[in-house]
Amino acid sequence: QKEVEQNSGPLSVPEGAIASLNCTYSDRGSQSFFWYRQYSGKSPELIMSIYSNGDKEDGRFTAQLNKASQYVSLLIRDSQPSDSATYLCAVLNYGGSQGNLIFGKGTKLSVKP
Amino acid sequence: DTAVSQTPKYLVTQMGNDKSIKCEQNLGHDTMYWYKQDSKKFLKIMFSYNNKELIINETVPNRFSPKSPDKAHLNLHINSLELGDSAVYFCASSQGPGHNYGYTFGSGTRLTVV
Repeated sequence: QKEVEQNSGPLSVPEGAIASLNCTYSDRGSQSFFWYRQYSGKSPELIMSIYSNGDKEDGRFTAQLNKASQYVSLLIRDSQPSDSATYLCAVLNYGGSQGNLIFGKGTKLSVKP
Repeated sequence: DTAVSQTPKYLVTQMGNDKSIKCEQNLGHDTMYWYKQDSKKFLKIMFSYNNKELIINETVPNRFSPKSPDKAHLNLHINSLELGDSAVYFCASSQGPGHNYGYTFGSGTRLTVV
């Protein structure tokens, strides 16, 4: 059973701080990784994707991937109260002609003004 | 213009009833999915269709029957609803089953069985 693990939180950070969200996955052959943000009562929204080891930056967001350690993280710099949401890590499970995203249970982030 | 639209947004029904949820995407994607999100926010794949063909059918009770009349539409019919079916059901689409661009989700259907 392929799994994606996240700390459910809540993770509380003050406004302006760096929020660090972590995720591990069980399938060593996984190649594609995604971070989704989900506000309460809303649908998941894709914020970052990463496929290669190292860092990928997009504005205040940085995704980090370490395939040897089977570890993905998301850093949010200069956190804002509007970043308060649940962050879902997802790993693409693809084989043959089938593929689907396997999601972690999400980390709830709270940014305090 | 909504990319992935689901109807209805809310559904409250009694145990034993049959209900349907509809999904349409205007992104030109080939692959569509149904995910279930439980009360603990865990998103789990139920079904996936690629170009109208069922390619993923997870361990879901056969009371749930998906149907894809064309690649832009994916519906979900649920027979004999049970209390445990209460959840948010999300439709999603992607360019292909192994595509690297992630999924676009619909706004969800909150199903409450009483």
